[in-house]
Amino acid sequence: EAGVAQSPRYKIIEKRQSVAFWCNPISGHATLYWYQQILGQGPKLLIQFQNNGVVDDSQLPKDRFSAERLKGVDSTLKIQPAKLEDSAVYLCASSLQAGAMNEQFFGPGTRLTVL
Amino acid sequence: SQQGEEDPQALSIQEGENATMNCSYKTSINNLQWYRQNSGRGLVHLILIRSNEREKHSGRLRVTLDTSKKSSSLLITASRAADTASYFCATDPLDSWGKLQFGAGTQVVVTP
Repeated sequence: EAGVAQSPRYKIIEKRQSVAFWCNPISGHATLYWYQQILGQGPKLLIQFQNNGVVDDSQLPKDRFSAERLKGVDSTLKIQPAKLEDSAVYLCASSLQAGAMNEQFFGPGTRLTVL
Repeated sequence: SQQGEEDPQALSIQEGENATMNCSYKTSINNLQWYRQNSGRGLVHLILIRSNEREKHSGRLRVTLDTSKKSSSLLITASRAADTASYFCATDPLDSWGKLQFGAGTQVVVTP
């Protein structure tokens, strides 16, 4: 079974530029998550989708971050414009359904460096 | 905010030794999960323990949960160099419906 795919794996941009990350979850997984992991910290949930609807985006900085999951499969996360503090690894995860007891499967992440 | 707090922040042991790390959290939970993250990689799910369970085993892993103290421990027995990684606890709070909250992790180094 293929795992969660993410691209690109690495991205270096200058502050105030825009960047987009792509995620393809495990086939059949209804729930998709985007996490931000700053160096030395644990992942922090940015947004959760159930199919193509947003379940929770309370920790997404909506003035600069946006995410979509058209057709309920692939998802993109965009930052516009980027700030230095956005340097982090962006992890995508998926699970069969939302709710307790559902194991989340993580992709390899995209390491973003903002100069 | 991060719900879980791991202790210690870093742990260095030799192959064959046991590694123990602890996690404390603040609110009531549905379950607590442990994940491993190798350098430059995504997280791998290790084990899930439900709030009504006290102990769970998986291979060389043993997890305990004490809901009265709001704490959990992860024991890796007979460690191997391949166990070198960061280990995170993640709580699934009662009112969050699967939205995990991760701690800052314990970095484990196992030397041959």
